[in-house]
Amino acid sequence: QSALTQPRSVSGSPGQSVTISCTGTSSDVGGYNYVSWYQQHPGKAPKFMIYDVNKRPSGVPDRFSGSKSGNTASLTISGLQADDEADYYCCSYAGSYNVFGTGTKVTVL
Amino acid sequence: EVQLVESGGGFVQPGRSLRLSCAASGFTFNNYAMHWVRQAPGKGLEWVSGITWDSGSKDYADSVKGRFTISRDNAKNSLYLQMNSLRPEDTALYYCARDRPNTYAPDYWGQGSLVTVSS
Repeated sequence: QSALTQPRSVSGSPGQSVTISCTGTSSDVGGYNYVSWYQQHPGKAPKFMIYDVNKRPSGVPDRFSGSKSGNTASLTISGLQADDEADYYCCSYAGSYNVFGTGTKVTVL
Repeated sequence: EVQLVESGGGFVQPGRSLRLSCAASGFTFNNYAMHWVRQAPGKGLEWVSGITWDSGSKDYADSVKGRFTISRDNAKNSLYLQMNSLRPEDTALYYCARDRPNTYAPDYWGQGSLVTVSS
């Protein structure tokens, strides 16, 4: 049950796009289309952003999009805004448990 | 409005036990699987345990297997986590979260209950 691997940090200027990778194995990310993504601001509970690899819950802007190729999932934030500065976590189903990613801090320059 | 409110956290010595509760409202509790997720201070999220709507299946992270037990009472709209043989590395904010059906993804989260294990 090893954590999925994410870059420690990514950054971009307002209006730009950033992409966060989430690398697992064929037993989790690569084996199921059950990857979700969460945004967490300091001191707050995580917010649900993406599920089933690329679906957005109601209320999440279409600037947020998800994808997957093999054992790696990705979250892309387009048109970066100041409020997007937060920690982001991926999560994958792994057969009998869930596993989260190591987390990525997104900085808006 | 979906609400999840955790309680039962606190300061406990290593080796002791603690029981967390999560009171759910704003949705039909007995239709949903539920999760416990924790976050150590300054660290990332760690999935701890999950339970199906009918308690028919319960799963655990390896780090807590054999020490923690998840349960629910659908009549009381409540989720529980019994934590035994606590270790300092169990110190964390424990979140209760609802599962989005057929996705294995926690969608709504509570604000968390802090557990501190220290001598």
